Amino acid sequence: EAGVAQSPRYKIIEKRQSVAFWCNPISGHATLYWYQQILGQGPKLLIQFQNNGVVDDSQLPKDRFSAERLKGVDSTLKIQPAKLEDSAVYLCASSLASQIGPEAFFGQGTRLTVV
Amino acid sequence: AQKVTQAQTEISVVEKEDVTLDCVYETRDTTYYLFWYKQPPSGELVFLIRRNSFDEQNEISGRYSWNFQKSTSSFNFTITASQVVDSAVYFCALSSSNTGKLIFGQGTTLQVKP
Repeated sequence: EAGVAQSPRYKIIEKRQSVAFWCNPISGHATLYWYQQILGQGPKLLIQFQNNGVVDDSQLPKDRFSAERLKGVDSTLKIQPAKLEDSAVYLCASSLASQIGPEAFFGQGTRLTVV
Repeated sequence: AQKVTQAQTEISVVEKEDVTLDCVYETRDTTYYLFWYKQPPSGELVFLIRRNSFDEQNEISGRYSWNFQKSTSSFNFTITASQVVDSAVYFCALSSSNTGKLIFGQGTTLQVKP
């Protein structure tokens, strides 16, 4: 079974530029999560989708971050414009359902450096 | 509010030593799940274990064991006879919302020296 795929693996951009990350979850997984992991910290949820609807985006900085999950499969996360403090690893995860306690499978992440 | 605390930032041991990683959590919910994930240098979070709040039985899987104590809100992880391949960052996480959202601790970096 293929795991969660993310691209690119690494990205370096200048502040105020825009960037997009792509995630392909495990086939059949209805729930998709985007987490932000700043160096030395644990991952923090940015947004959660159930199929193509948003379940939780309470910690998404909506003035600069946006995400979509068209057709309930792949998802993209965009930052526009980027700030220095956005430097982090962006992790995508998926699970079969969103009820409490599902086992989430994570991708390898995209490491973003904003200079 | 939900919170997970991993007080140990870094631990260094010599191969074959036993090591325990501490995890303390806070939640007002009666139903919740606790997790441990391993993050090797490749960056991917690898699922290790999940326990629900109604099951306080300790669990052993090979060299790994977990001690869940609701009375102290702790879910500690022990690696017996550590190996160099165990070197990684280990995260404890809590899921107590009905959305499956994970609240992670800060992580503990384990270095196992040969």
